[in-house]
Amino acid sequence: RKEVEQDPGPFNVPEGATVAFNCTYSNSASQSFFWYRQDCRKEPKLLMSVYSSGNEDGRFTAQLNRASQYISLLIRDSKLSDSATYLCVVERGAQKLVFGQGTRLTINP
Amino acid sequence: DAGVTQSPTHLIKTRGQHVTLRCSPISGHKSVSWYQQVLGQGPQFIFQYYEKEERGRGNFPDRFSARQFPNYSSELNVNALLLGDSALYLCASSWGAGELFFGEGSRLTVL
Repeated sequence: RKEVEQDPGPFNVPEGATVAFNCTYSNSASQSFFWYRQDCRKEPKLLMSVYSSGNEDGRFTAQLNRASQYISLLIRDSKLSDSATYLCVVERGAQKLVFGQGTRLTINP
Repeated sequence: DAGVTQSPTHLIKTRGQHVTLRCSPISGHKSVSWYQQVLGQGPQFIFQYYEKEERGRGNFPDRFSARQFPNYSSELNVNALLLGDSALYLCASSWGAGELFFGEGSRLTVL
């Protein structure tokens, strides 16, 4: 079983739609949680950190449920520029990031 | 400001050869990490160095080695290349805690 699991997709949604990604992690000792975005043939970039209280950044909302070891990302009013691969990431100490497989999202006009 | 820079950007090697990949962190960053990203997968942790000392190692064979220099730049070395080593190799830097900043990567193809 992979330490971080997420639906690889692909997700194809129309512009303006709301899309949700889910992720589960297996190591309860995991300390920090993130969503990264990776454009095609580019490097991963931090989208947002994820906190137990939930956090929002514009159209993006992230949630963490430590009891269920579950992380989510919600994108509202999706834009064409949101098309990318979204990586669920868990930090296990010493800045060791464990990445999920990534979920590919395509926003269609 | 310059971000994390990696070289070479692309390279082709044959099985059994050796490769050296280089990384220059963001100015002031003392931590460098290396990740391997195989096509269709998320990046996988290889090494982390802080102040020239190895602070973490992922589940990779001994053919993989790295070092960090006094100016905080880093090299990743891979010996006896296998077809399965074909991947995007990503370097990331940070202050030692907080956000990791990734370079654009070195794309290695092993034939």
